[in-house]
Amino acid sequence: AQSVTQLGSHVSVSEGALVLLRCNYSSSVPPYLFWYVQYPNQGLQLLLKYTSAATLVKGINGFEAEFKKSETSFHLTKPSAHMSDAAEYFCAAFAYSGAGSYQLTFGKGTKLSVIP
Amino acid sequence: DADVTQTPRNRITKTGKRIMLECSQTKGHDRMYWYRQDPGLGLRLIYYSFDVKDINKGEISDGYSVSRQAQAKFSLSLESAIPNQTALYFCATSDLGSPQGYGYTFGSGTRLTVV
Repeated sequence: AQSVTQLGSHVSVSEGALVLLRCNYSSSVPPYLFWYVQYPNQGLQLLLKYTSAATLVKGINGFEAEFKKSETSFHLTKPSAHMSDAAEYFCAAFAYSGAGSYQLTFGKGTKLSVIP
Repeated sequence: DADVTQTPRNRITKTGKRIMLECSQTKGHDRMYWYRQDPGLGLRLIYYSFDVKDINKGEISDGYSVSRQAQAKFSLSLESAIPNQTALYFCATSDLGSPQGYGYTFGSGTRLTVV
């Protein structure tokens, strides 16, 4: 079964500093991978997705993520944090889960705080 | 109008009451999902439907039921609400028919409190 692990439930960075949110997946077959962002009192918004094309994926708001098969990782980065980046971020993997079924499995989320 | 609309946005209900959360979409997607979000647990899948005649249990279906009334409508019911069903509930849609469709589109959520 697919699982997604996000290291760190809370991450704090200073404004202007590098943002690095970690995500590892477990799968015998590389899945499709996603990062979603949830701003306070809102739903989930797709940041970016990996669908077996380029391993470096660029998303909205200056975020990008690199798929590393050897490390089963899909870490999210942004060179310079902005106050508006404060939100909760979810990594998700979409993969075949058996019996003709595909499922999207989410990590537990990482809450990003940006310090002025 | 939003692509995926959930109603109500907020609801407080009493233990033992039946409650229905509704979801409608204008994306034209075949696949619809219900998730619940709890702090520190991420999103967990309750039920999903690949078309009107297809309903499948997810990770945490106990205590819930669903109805797919039409391609665009997918309702979640709590037959007898209990306090540990207090959570934020999300409806989502997807279309696996296109390479761009592997991402899901989420509604804004329904915050349910069971007292």
